Amino acid sequence: DVVMTQSPLSLPVTLGQPASISCRSSQSLVYSDGNTYLNWFQQRPGQSPRRLIYKISNRDSGVPDRFSGSGSGTDFTLKISRVEAEDVGVYYCMQGTHWPQTFGQGTKVEIK
Amino acid sequence: QVQLVESGGGVVQPGRSLRLSCAASGFTFRNYGMHWVRQAPGKGLEWVAVTWYDGSIKYYADSVKGRFTISKDNSKNTLYLEMNSLRAEDTAIYYCSRWAFDYWGQGTLVTVSS
Repeated sequence: DVVMTQSPLSLPVTLGQPASISCRSSQSLVYSDGNTYLNWFQQRPGQSPRRLIYKISNRDSGVPDRFSGSGSGTDFTLKISRVEAEDVGVYYCMQGTHWPQTFGQGTKVEIK
Repeated sequence: QVQLVESGGGVVQPGRSLRLSCAASGFTFRNYGMHWVRQAPGKGLEWVAVTWYDGSIKYYADSVKGRFTISKDNSKNTLYLEMNSLRAEDTAIYYCSRWAFDYWGQGTLVTVSS
């Protein structure tokens, strides 16, 4: 199985400051169709996961533009340009290129 | 709007069975594959199973292979997860999700305990 490794696992941030989460895969996530199926999810406390980003850098509808995704191959990053209180929660990367689809361990974002 | 509503969770003894349901609305269910994803208490997300839009192909996580069966009734717009030989480590919130993980249900809690 493809192992997805996130860092850091805990991320205390100051309101209004940027935050960055790294996600590395044990194999390339480039699929035979040329796409890279790397998603980012947000899970607020007590809620279901919500997809934020698909195929590395495409924001879902309604996702604030302070969220951005980047990367290629095996190395990916989720950035929040200015953290707001509603961004508190756990963030997961997930690869959909190889079966079984696998998630990272999660990164807990909290306000300092 | 797209809605996914899970049901069927509860407390069950080890070795027993349970069937989860996921009622879908707001989209053409027969055109989409569907997933089950679970989350043990205080833990991360674990993909469990997927079915193709027409039920022709199904994949399972190794942890549930041979014990769980995913199915899809396109006439009832409902996804199912039949869980047999349940173990304590199957205790989790079970979510259904649409093919690209763009929509998720609210989850249903399964507790396996004697």
